[in-house]
Amino acid sequence: DSGVTQTPKHLITATGQRVTLRCSPRSGDLSVYWYQQSLDQGLQFLIQYYNGEERAKGNILERFSAQQFPDLHSELNLSSLELGDSALYFCASSVGWYKGYTFGSGTRLTVV
Amino acid sequence: GDSVTQMEGPVTLSEEAFLTINCTYTATGYPSLFWYVQYPGEGLQLLLKATKADDKGSNKGFEATYRKETTSFHLEKGSVQVSDSAVYFCALSLPVAAGANNLFFGTGTRLTVIP
Repeated sequence: DSGVTQTPKHLITATGQRVTLRCSPRSGDLSVYWYQQSLDQGLQFLIQYYNGEERAKGNILERFSAQQFPDLHSELNLSSLELGDSALYFCASSVGWYKGYTFGSGTRLTVV
Repeated sequence: GDSVTQMEGPVTLSEEAFLTINCTYTATGYPSLFWYVQYPGEGLQLLLKATKADDKGSNKGFEATYRKETTSFHLEKGSVQVSDSAVYFCALSLPVAAGANNLFFGTGTRLTVIP
């Protein structure tokens, strides 16, 4: 157990639908990061939150949004889902940029 | 821009063979460097890190040295085991603003160790 908890582990949904992925960071970590891992694109950084505020944005689509709540857990919302959104979505947390990230075990999203 | 270039795989080795996975980086500042490992069906785990030039990170028999002069952070292990079969990612981290940083990953190298 890495200390970063992601739910659900698996999600199957239809095109056009909306889903919410949840992440609880490791105790004491203020930063939360979301990554998408697909076979053809590798690991893509989506977005970072630090203590409730958005701090960095990567290749996140407009159909996707995220937020970090006062208790530091984070949610990634994916809407108008397309087949190409099928991927593993990882959350990571960190206490400092030089210390490395701790990853959760991911949510596997399948859009059918 | 900042990036990581990693040796393409897949790599297949016999048990007890020597492993090297090459990684070079491009960075505008002074990054921290990492190796992550992903076992089948799992998330990424931090394997080792180095935060400044000439630092050597080591863990579970794996080593990597931060070489500023060659902008490299090659992963090595003297004797691999079947249990080392996984995908290995080289990564660099840089602060970009107060409280914000980027972690750039290489494309990953799949290692298979055969008995």
